[in-house]
Amino acid sequence: DTAVSQTPKYLVTQMGNDKSIKCEQNLGHDTMYWYKQDSKKFLKIMFSYNNKELIINETVPNRFSPKSPDKAHLNLHINSLELGDSAVYFCASSQESLAGGPEETQYFGPGTRLLVL
Amino acid sequence: KQEVTQIPAALSVPEGENLVLNCSFTDSAIYNLQWFRQDPGKGLTSLLLIQSSQREQTSGRLNASLDKSSGRSTLYIAASQPGDSATYLCAADSSYKLIFGSGTRLLVRP
Repeated sequence: DTAVSQTPKYLVTQMGNDKSIKCEQNLGHDTMYWYKQDSKKFLKIMFSYNNKELIINETVPNRFSPKSPDKAHLNLHINSLELGDSAVYFCASSQESLAGGPEETQYFGPGTRLLVL
Repeated sequence: KQEVTQIPAALSVPEGENLVLNCSFTDSAIYNLQWFRQDPGKGLTSLLLIQSSQREQTSGRLNASLDKSSGRSTLYIAASQPGDSATYLCAADSSYKLIFGSGTRLLVRP
């Protein structure tokens, strides 16, 4: 059983298009994340959601709009795609510790490889 | 602002050798320090998590240490195997986000 799944696995599209990436976790976690891994393989946080509420937005352009319909899903919609959006996007989830605070391991999905032409 | 650095950027060793990967971070106010493994074209696999109050964690041939005061963590791999070849990433957990280093690409030669 896949713990954190993402669809699609690959996405090739033209500049200016709008696209969505879906993420689902079946771990019962409270917190979900989106990370971007650029061509140099550097991973950077984009968004964090806790109990469907946005808690971290790391200066991501407003063309990127995450949506969390429930605690198990965090989808990423991207408007007006640009060449620089080409990257691998990883979804992750974690469970808050009983003492509060995100002190538990983050589990990552397999990634979505986005190529903007 | 938290910054995480990993050295070396790449490492090639013969099978059976013990090795150490280094990670440093600038802000000691972290919840935990996590080590991940990434295989080419794949996602990240969690290896070890060291809570901020802990000094080290062990899993099989892997041992990770944490020194918050000096802003350093090390990942020790004993008796390396070709299957250990991957990119190893450390990440500092700074309140609902992981700040990653750029990784160490490890090649274990048979």
